[in-house]
Amino acid sequence: DARVTQTPRHKVTEMGQEVTMRCQPILGHNTVFWYRQTMMQGLELLAYFRNRAPLDDSGMPKDRFSAEMPDATLATLKIQPSEPRDSAVYFCASGISARATQTLLYGYTFGSGTRLTVV
Amino acid sequence: GQQVMQIPQYQHVQEGEDFTTYCNSSTTLSNIQWYKQRPGGHPVFLIQLVKSGEVKKQKRLTFQFGEAKKNSSLHITATQTTDVGTYFCAGQGSGGYNKLIFGAGTRLAVHP
Repeated sequence: DARVTQTPRHKVTEMGQEVTMRCQPILGHNTVFWYRQTMMQGLELLAYFRNRAPLDDSGMPKDRFSAEMPDATLATLKIQPSEPRDSAVYFCASGISARATQTLLYGYTFGSGTRLTVV
Repeated sequence: GQQVMQIPQYQHVQEGEDFTTYCNSSTTLSNIQWYKQRPGGHPVFLIQLVKSGEVKKQKRLTFQFGEAKKNSSLHITATQTTDVGTYFCAGQGSGGYNKLIFGAGTRLAVHP
């Protein structure tokens, strides 16, 4: 089965350090998403790319978070500087959306997530 | 902005009992999707509903999309311990670059 690959699986870092999370979407998927999951907030959409172009990052704290897709096989999410409140599981997901309507044609495939702990 | 509300937050059932979770959107949706997340795992896609009034079945799971395309439900008949997990609905709006907004999820516990 095709998979979305996320690295690292776990990351413990000190407050103030830079954190980079990576995602390899499924080949052929044109839409990539970053979500953050916490007990309090559930699944929050951070960023959304289609054909590598950022479409929406309104859910992302702009002062410290950045999301990019340097090529079709890699999406990155960076936090600089990290803070304890950033501790969460970060999921990447990929899917296929229709060009005209952006409607997802099928469900997303999620990666296994990066569990981030900032101490 | 678009909001997706899901109830109940938790549900405890005895094995063999039925279970239903409900999802309501503040806006009309182009489609709704359902996902299951096992404890410690990641969300896994179950199904997508697109048409008004659509009903789909997967073995003991029945999914419905409301006529107005603003609400949906997932019903599990005769729950089993393997059904344990959190069930999320996720709605996508219509028109423009629309995000998939997840509900808060319903955590299902099944007691043998």
